[in-house]
Amino acid sequence: AQTVTQSQPEMSVQEAETVTLSCTYDTSESDYYLFWYKQPPSRQMILVIRQEAYKQQNATENRFSVNFQKAAKSFSLKISDSQLGDAAMYFCAYRRGTSYDKVIFGPGTSLSVIP
Amino acid sequence: GAVVSQHPSRVICKSGTSVKIECRSLDFQATTMFWYRQFPKQSLMLMATSNEGSKATYEQGVEKDKFLINHASLTLSTLTVTSAHPEDSSFYICSALPWASRGTDTQYFGPGTRLTVL
Repeated sequence: AQTVTQSQPEMSVQEAETVTLSCTYDTSESDYYLFWYKQPPSRQMILVIRQEAYKQQNATENRFSVNFQKAAKSFSLKISDSQLGDAAMYFCAYRRGTSYDKVIFGPGTSLSVIP
Repeated sequence: GAVVSQHPSRVICKSGTSVKIECRSLDFQATTMFWYRQFPKQSLMLMATSNEGSKATYEQGVEKDKFLINHASLTLSTLTVTSAHPEDSSFYICSALPWASRGTDTQYFGPGTRLTVL
């Protein structure tokens, strides 16, 4: 069975600094997708970034980038120039290759941004 | 962008009553919708996968007779919590997958429904 682990229940970062959130996963599949979702206090789930397993290049979205290490099954999220609005729960997630398959979420990391 | 709504946003009910939560895709058709439950300070746990025109697929440990799911149209799925009890109090989130999705597509999440059972 596939599992997603986030070893950092809570993290904090100074405004304008950089922070990295860790995620590891376990799967025997070769075709899969990895995601980082943000859940602010409003509880609305927001897709931050997505990585296709078959792509070696790390995904980037503005201030957000990932370090995808397929052999190590590691998928960390780097947030650069942190802003107060980045404060939220961040969930790492896994999905098999078909979009109709379920998404498995990690336990989450609560990120605080210190002004 | 694709929008998914949920109604109601929050509901309080008495123990033993039934509550229906609606999930609608507003600007796209969704053959597949997912229902999640999230307890405080915890992650999202998938309850069931809802497919239009067919029976829902429930995850292990989820009582299908207690959590009734109906996906009667391409834009609406409903979750009915029957004979609700205080332990059913939680945050329920739905997500929808656009029709004819490709592998690169992702689910669009609704804003969630907070259920409190007294």
